[in-house]
Amino acid sequence: KAGVTQTPRYLIKTRGQQVTLSCSPISGHRSVSWYQQTPGQGLQFLFEYFSETQRNKGNFPGRFSGRQFSNSRSEMNVSTLELGDSALYLCASSLGPSAGTETQYFGPGTRLLVL
Amino acid sequence: AQKVTQAQTEISVVEKEDVTLDCVYETRDTTYYLFWYKQPPSGELVFLIRRNSFDEQNEISGRYSWNFQKSTSSFNFTITASQVVDSAVYFCALSIGSGNTGKLIFGQGTTLQVKP
Repeated sequence: KAGVTQTPRYLIKTRGQQVTLSCSPISGHRSVSWYQQTPGQGLQFLFEYFSETQRNKGNFPGRFSGRQFSNSRSEMNVSTLELGDSALYLCASSLGPSAGTETQYFGPGTRLLVL
Repeated sequence: AQKVTQAQTEISVVEKEDVTLDCVYETRDTTYYLFWYKQPPSGELVFLIRRNSFDEQNEISGRYSWNFQKSTSSFNFTITASQVVDSAVYFCALSIGSGNTGKLIFGQGTTLQVKP
């Protein structure tokens, strides 16, 4: 079974631009979560989607948004990029219905550099 | 509030040494899950183990073993006879079993360097 895939793997943007990252979960998984990893803050939860609905959201500004499609694929968008948005963005998937009890499997991440 | 603490920022050992990575968690929930993930330089988080709050049995998988003690809120990870390929950042994480969310709360990670 294929794992979680994320595209693109690397991205360079300039301040003020916007960016869209994509995540395809493991086949059959309906829950997708996003995490931001930075050297200073570590791994932080961004948001979680299940059946096209946002189920939970972390403490990030409104510039960070996401969505999930009917095939469970998910995208996250960051508008008006700031230097501090430079990070590794990780997507994770799980089966979904009982998210708190399930194991999340992670993709390889997208490394975003904001100049 | 929930919290995970990995007090060891970096550990360096020589190959074949045993090494233990510490993890202490805080939660008021009675149902919760604990995880360990490994992050090699490539960046992907690799799942190692999941434990629920009602199962305090220790687990061994090859050279890896885990010691879960609710009395001390700890979930420690031991690598026996370490190898260079074990070099990575290791994260301990907590999720709350009740409620409809899979949000993971991570510790700051422990960087393990195994020297040949």
